[in-house]
Amino acid sequence: RKEVEQDPGPFNVPEGATVAFNCTYSNSASQSFFWYRQDCRKEPKLLMSVYSSGNEDGRFTAQLNRASQYISLLIRDSKLSDSATYLCEDKFYFGSGTKLNVKP
Amino acid sequence: DTEVTQTPKHLVMGMTNKKSLKCEQHMGHRAMYWYKQKAKKPPELMFVYSYEKLSINESVPSRFSPECPNSSLLNLHLHALQPEDSALYLCASSQERVTQTQYFGPGTRLLVL
Repeated sequence: RKEVEQDPGPFNVPEGATVAFNCTYSNSASQSFFWYRQDCRKEPKLLMSVYSSGNEDGRFTAQLNRASQYISLLIRDSKLSDSATYLCEDKFYFGSGTKLNVKP
Repeated sequence: DTEVTQTPKHLVMGMTNKKSLKCEQHMGHRAMYWYKQKAKKPPELMFVYSYEKLSINESVPSRFSPECPNSSLLNLHLHALQPEDSALYLCASSQERVTQTQYFGPGTRLLVL
């Protein structure tokens, strides 16, 4: 069952770049979504929640597009420490994750 | 305290063994979850407990048996596992099912020989 789909990447970007990931979902009734980051061999850590109005936290912005049924995560001014796998979640179902590599 | 703890960190067991994984949270959360994560794959939901009652079982084989003794504790009893059950087992909790903001524990890395 593919409730949530993501581009697995990897996305290889230089420091300072802006990068965006999308995540499509199949359940049109879904109300809330979440972005997590997961470092290698660690647990997922909540990054942002996404509701109808979107969300912004520093360099990170998450948006929800209900018409096209996708959520997005925008990272501005990428840092080396942003390198991780980014997972989106819709009601306990996770996308496959998008790997981000930020290079010096 | 915004921490979910899991023990043990690592576990190696034979196919005939019985073992248990433990998860604890003291955030007053009333929903707790078990996920299984294989390498390079996303977490897969196994069980959801809401107010100490099992509310979701994602067709998990009976060799995995969850238990919620109280609102702070969640156990996963393992019996007669197969090598393909080797994975990272993650516990999470949220205030309630509806809010869904989940906090994950560090996981138990299980190897079945």
